[in-house]
Amino acid sequence: GAGVSQTPSNKVTEKGKYVELRCDPISGHTALYWYRQSLGQGPEFLIYFQGTGAADDSGLPNDRFFAVRPEGSVSTLKIQRTERGDSAVYLCASSLRIAGGPTDTQYFGPGTRLTVL
Amino acid sequence: AQTVTQSQPEMSVQEAETVTLSCTYDTSESDYYLFWYKQPPSRQMILVIRQEAYKQQNATENRFSVNFQKAAKSFSLKISDSQLGDAAMYFCAYRSAGTGNQFYFGTGTSLTVIP
Repeated sequence: GAGVSQTPSNKVTEKGKYVELRCDPISGHTALYWYRQSLGQGPEFLIYFQGTGAADDSGLPNDRFFAVRPEGSVSTLKIQRTERGDSAVYLCASSLRIAGGPTDTQYFGPGTRLTVL
Repeated sequence: AQTVTQSQPEMSVQEAETVTLSCTYDTSESDYYLFWYKQPPSRQMILVIRQEAYKQQNATENRFSVNFQKAAKSFSLKISDSQLGDAAMYFCAYRSAGTGNQFYFGTGTSLTVIP
């Protein structure tokens, strides 16, 4: 596609529920990243994938958060037993490669705003 | 971990004037990349400009330029001939050139352009 897309754009859920957030990266981009942006803050790294494997998941806050990228393209961020503190905008980004000059420039999607009531 | 500091939560500029947004960072690494991203109300982060730490020459992209001071760990963004469409949140970001590819972002500066 022309850019990174994320669905849904907004998600409202109740505390304790399970949610899935989807990211479609730019076609051909091998690297995919998830960030969380709380109100008034810059994005914070959660996890990134090189191909199908999670190359670095050190930013995931706890074991309620999990992400997959089974075919090396679309990725899903999964949050179990949601808490009010999970409310934030979840951003996805992709890059052609993970390193190598301009090819590592990350292009961001519009994000999913998650609200946990 | 690296930290990125943007000390100006809000800035304003008259249309057609010039404004400079500040950014400092803390790192022990010698090779890295620095970025400025723009985030309009649509939430989509848009790359404005990028600087490689090994390059002494400051990056420029049309009306946008940076003042990169490696020794001082400073990376400011200058916007010349400001336009109404420049109004947005601006984030400074750091990325290591080594293993580990995550970005570290500052807290952002909200830029208002006054007509």
